[in-house]
Amino acid sequence: QSVLTQPPSASGTPGQRVTISCSGSSSNIGINYLYWYQQLSGTAPKLLIYKNNQRPSGVPDRFSGSKSGTSASLAISGLRSEDEADYYCAAWDDSLSQDVFGTGTKVTVL
Amino acid sequence: QLQLQESGPGLVKPSETLSLTCTVSGGSISSSSYYWGWIRQPPGKGLEWIGSIYYSGSTFYNPSLKSRVAISVDTSKNQFSLKLSSVTAADTALYYCAREGMTAVVTPSGGMDVWGQGTTVTVSS
Repeated sequence: QSVLTQPPSASGTPGQRVTISCSGSSSNIGINYLYWYQQLSGTAPKLLIYKNNQRPSGVPDRFSGSKSGTSASLAISGLRSEDEADYYCAAWDDSLSQDVFGTGTKVTVL
Repeated sequence: QLQLQESGPGLVKPSETLSLTCTVSGGSISSSSYYWGWIRQPPGKGLEWIGSIYYSGSTFYNPSLKSRVAISVDTSKNQFSLKLSSVTAADTALYYCAREGMTAVVTPSGGMDVWGQGTTVTVSS
């Protein structure tokens, strides 16, 4: 079972703001950096946010990440049809000595 | 531009060993700043980390798979490999390799910035 918990789904209309949560513990999110991935249908995951709130080159600034305590959030502002995808959070867990992924959130653009 | 490519059999029989190789091009696997990892995704399910290796050979494995997993590196070929023994239908998945950053204490970080396209492995007789 996944150590990081995400809502299974989120949705919004074009232009809206959507937020996805990622809940963990003191041994992962609470002490280590958090990463977000976007997985479009039929493709490999793509790094969307690194080190809690940094965007790799080429990722639109509509995507933003934040972290507080043992939880983190990914926000998508100005939602677009091409944002329809599965989103995963991930971190290193010091207690388990392993990478842990979130359960995944499917974002639907209505 | 760094690229990763998985290769290996797409069909493995139950109880046998799954073997995959990831070839790194456009950069060196011997970089001191990265781990090299394997991640899998069962059909219709989420991502599961299998394990990661440093170019020196240091490894970290998912505890739930540790007894069956071996990841190795061949710096001369710029490749790293995955072996998963005693496979069952539950090991049927899309297998990805990826480059992974490291934490300040030199463990894998969870941050994978370059991914292969993935290869499907089916376990069936």
